[in-house]
Amino acid sequence: AQKITQTQPGMFVQEKEAVTLDCTYDTSDQSYGLFWYKQPSSGEMIFLIYQGSYDEQNATEGRYSLNFQKARKSANLVISASQLGDSAMYFCAMTNNNDMRFGAGTRLTVKP
Amino acid sequence: DVKVTQSSRYLVKRTGEKVFLECVQDMDHENMFWYRQDPGLGLRLIYFSYDVKMKEKGDIPEGYSVSREKKERFSLILESASTNQTSMYLCASIGGNRPYEQYFGPGTRLTVT
Repeated sequence: AQKITQTQPGMFVQEKEAVTLDCTYDTSDQSYGLFWYKQPSSGEMIFLIYQGSYDEQNATEGRYSLNFQKARKSANLVISASQLGDSAMYFCAMTNNNDMRFGAGTRLTVKP
Repeated sequence: DVKVTQSSRYLVKRTGEKVFLECVQDMDHENMFWYRQDPGLGLRLIYFSYDVKMKEKGDIPEGYSVSREKKERFSLILESASTNQTSMYLCASIGGNRPYEQYFGPGTRLTVT
């Protein structure tokens, strides 16, 4: 089974600064999808961004961008201009062959 | 509006009880998933299903079983609940017009005493 690794249990960032959350994955498949989700303290899972393995351009959604480096098998999330409301858990996930697996998550804290 | 519902937000059961967690989606999605979430471990895949009556084991299927008799409903069964199954259980579905987004239910916090 594929493996998703998030090496940063916790991160701090100053409000209005950019932050990068790391994600690496391991798969032998050529076709797969990569996701990032945000989970605030309320517990709901909020979809942020998606990158397909064959997409040539890095995905962007507003202040979120995914730095996809296929050869290195990394899919880092970049949040620009951090806001206090960005404080949450962030999960990286990968899907292929009908399944979907998540990393352990990174807790991001935005400081005023 | 996209919706995945779970039968209970909070559940308390005793050791040895049989527990049913129900998940229903109204989007006609093919793929449905059950995860458990524990601090520091992220979301771990228990079982998933890609069609009615089809099921596949995830990473931690021991102590659990599932049922998918109808497309919209995916049930997680704890045959004999144990205290180490105390956790947050999340159901999700994927498919339809936006296969690149997975929709989650609100979660069930199960406590086994």
